[in-house]
Amino acid sequence: QVQLQESGPGLVKPSETLSLTCTVSGGSISSYYWSWIRQPAGKGLEWIGRIYTSGSTNYNPSLKSRVTMSVDTSKNQFSLKLSSVTAADTAVYYCARVRGAKVGATTDYGMDVWGQGTTVTVSS
Amino acid sequence: QSVLTQPPSASGTPGQRVTISCSGSSSNIGSNYVYWYQQLPGTAPKLLIYRNNQRPSGVPDRFSGSKSGTSASLAISGLRSEDEADYYCAAWDDSLSDNYVFGTGTKVTVL
Repeated sequence: QVQLQESGPGLVKPSETLSLTCTVSGGSISSYYWSWIRQPAGKGLEWIGRIYTSGSTNYNPSLKSRVTMSVDTSKNQFSLKLSSVTAADTAVYYCARVRGAKVGATTDYGMDVWGQGTTVTVSS
Repeated sequence: QSVLTQPPSASGTPGQRVTISCSGSSSNIGSNYVYWYQQLPGTAPKLLIYRNNQRPSGVPDRFSGSKSGTSASLAISGLRSEDEADYYCAAWDDSLSDNYVFGTGTKVTVL
């Protein structure tokens, strides 16, 4: 079955760029949307955005100015970059596969496969 | 910044039925499908309910979802100790710019 694994630095300095990669194994990355979600310690989940294998993206409006997502189908990977980070960006970051589609005027959207998560701390 | 509101906690004894509410608006729950996720302590979230009331393979039928208007509910019947976890509702939000919103989360405690 499909498995996801996040990778990247666990410590990032303030004002720098956080970079994470999610590797998809056990299946193809093609023809799916893929998402990033984060969770500060002791708090709830926050959707960061999604990318389709064509490269089309949607980002959380609150993070849009700082987020860039990309996909590398040849490596079965997709990536997240978050610029100008502050302590408020310290969180566990999850990658996930998206299921669902637009059904008429109704959006069927959710994440059915999740990575285990990686902790990123923003500190000097 | 959660736009879906859940009670912070719920509890019950083994075997009891527990219900968690999720309140939204016309731009999210009112017009799109609701998903529910279970997050056991120290682990990644897991898909529990999709399309308002559908269970993925492997999810016990003790878990059920429903939706009415701009609200949704998750019911856990026959509560078990392994159900102690955080539960989040979620839905696509059509307002202003496309966005996926999660609920505030509910901690279920098995007494």
